[in-house]
Amino acid sequence: DAGVTQSPTHLIKTRGQQVTLRCSPKSGHDTVSWYQQALGQGPQFIFQYYEEEERQRGNFPDRFSGHQFPNYSSELNVNALLLGDSALYLCASSLVGDSREKLFFGSGTQLSVL
Amino acid sequence: GEDVEQSLFLSVREGDSSVINCTYTDSSSTYLYWYKQEPGAGLQLLTYIFSNMDMKQDQRLTVLLNKKDKHLSLRIADTQTGDSAIYFCAEMDSGTYKYIFGTGTRLKVLA
Repeated sequence: DAGVTQSPTHLIKTRGQQVTLRCSPKSGHDTVSWYQQALGQGPQFIFQYYEEEERQRGNFPDRFSGHQFPNYSSELNVNALLLGDSALYLCASSLVGDSREKLFFGSGTQLSVL
Repeated sequence: GEDVEQSLFLSVREGDSSVINCTYTDSSSTYLYWYKQEPGAGLQLLTYIFSNMDMKQDQRLTVLLNKKDKHLSLRIADTQTGDSAIYFCAEMDSGTYKYIFGTGTRLKVLA
């Protein structure tokens, strides 16, 4: 039973570029959430996708967008990268209907913006 | 406002008990969680507690919840060097499905 998988594991970009990060949820899960974790901080909620739609969004600008595919996998896109976007981006999956809404996390994508 | 606070560091000797504390502000949270993060890894769910419970025990882990003071704690009995990691508490708002994480407590276990 594969857990949550993310790709790539590391990425280096320059300011102004665009980046796409990918996530496959844990088998049986239908909801994907994305978090940004800056160095020394806790994860910050970016948004959550369920049934291919954005269900909730945190306090992130429109430069951050996402998508969920029919197979429940998801992408996070960030446009016009800023130095401050350098962080670990974590994907987490869960199952709607599990009242405890436990999140299972991937190992993350470390994004460095130069 | 939403805010989850934790102390930054904790150092204990191997075999002792560790207690990691957390305060939260959102009284509508249904569940509260403890996650562990090892270097270079994602977050691993350790345990969770429903907001109408006071205590939950799971092997070496004991979670205490004081709802009046909005205080959550995680006790690790017989702490081992493998327990060295960053521990995050988190609350989940059942209305928005949004998790709010604390800043994390770095636990260092001395042999």
